[in-house]
Amino acid sequence: AQSVTQLDSHVSVSEGTPVLLRCNYSSSYSPSLFWYVQHPNKGLQLLLKYTSAATLVKGINGFEAEFKKSETSFHLTKPSAHMSDAAEYFCVVRGGNTGTASKLTFGTGTRLQVTL
Amino acid sequence: GAVVSQHPSRVICKSGTSVKIECRSLDFQATTMFWYRQFPKQSLMLMATSNEGSKATYEQGVEKDKFLINHASLTLSTLTVTSAHPEDSSFYICSASVPGSNQPQHFGDGTRLSIL
Repeated sequence: AQSVTQLDSHVSVSEGTPVLLRCNYSSSYSPSLFWYVQHPNKGLQLLLKYTSAATLVKGINGFEAEFKKSETSFHLTKPSAHMSDAAEYFCVVRGGNTGTASKLTFGTGTRLQVTL
Repeated sequence: GAVVSQHPSRVICKSGTSVKIECRSLDFQATTMFWYRQFPKQSLMLMATSNEGSKATYEQGVEKDKFLINHASLTLSTLTVTSAHPEDSSFYICSASVPGSNQPQHFGDGTRLSIL
């Protein structure tokens, strides 16, 4: 079984300040972890993925995330927020069991608000 | 990069109408595609896994006779909402993965379905 917990449903930051979106996971197998972003009335866009290679993963648009097995966390960060970063962010886990390898488990999402 | 195209982006129709949504992988072949439903301000809920050349696998609680899935080719899956009613109004999103281990899912832009 696998699960994802996004600790904040809503995060508000000022433009130019750092972003931290928190995610904790639970998985019976070595997981693959992803962060996706969703803008209003759009599908999901992949920001970055962790698949058991480097624990610090760099993604698009300046985002990065660090896989910490001891803390079962995969928090998303960005040094400096931009207005265009305002969106919904989903932390997603995919288990390593062959039978369910392709199924994704989604967190409940974090809405990022960026203010001037 | 891998692109998934979903059509139409928005549908408004009368109760009792059947609605077909298409999901295409534009630059890769996808033996498996996924259909999700998203309620307002909520996360994505997996409805079914679409397998090319075989029957779809539905998640618990999803009516297979209500949500017909056809995956007739390696680049196209369709979801038909039969005899749609207002409670079927939702945002439907498809996704597909490039074949191979550790490949992420790529999402279509979604279809906003409104049943009057």
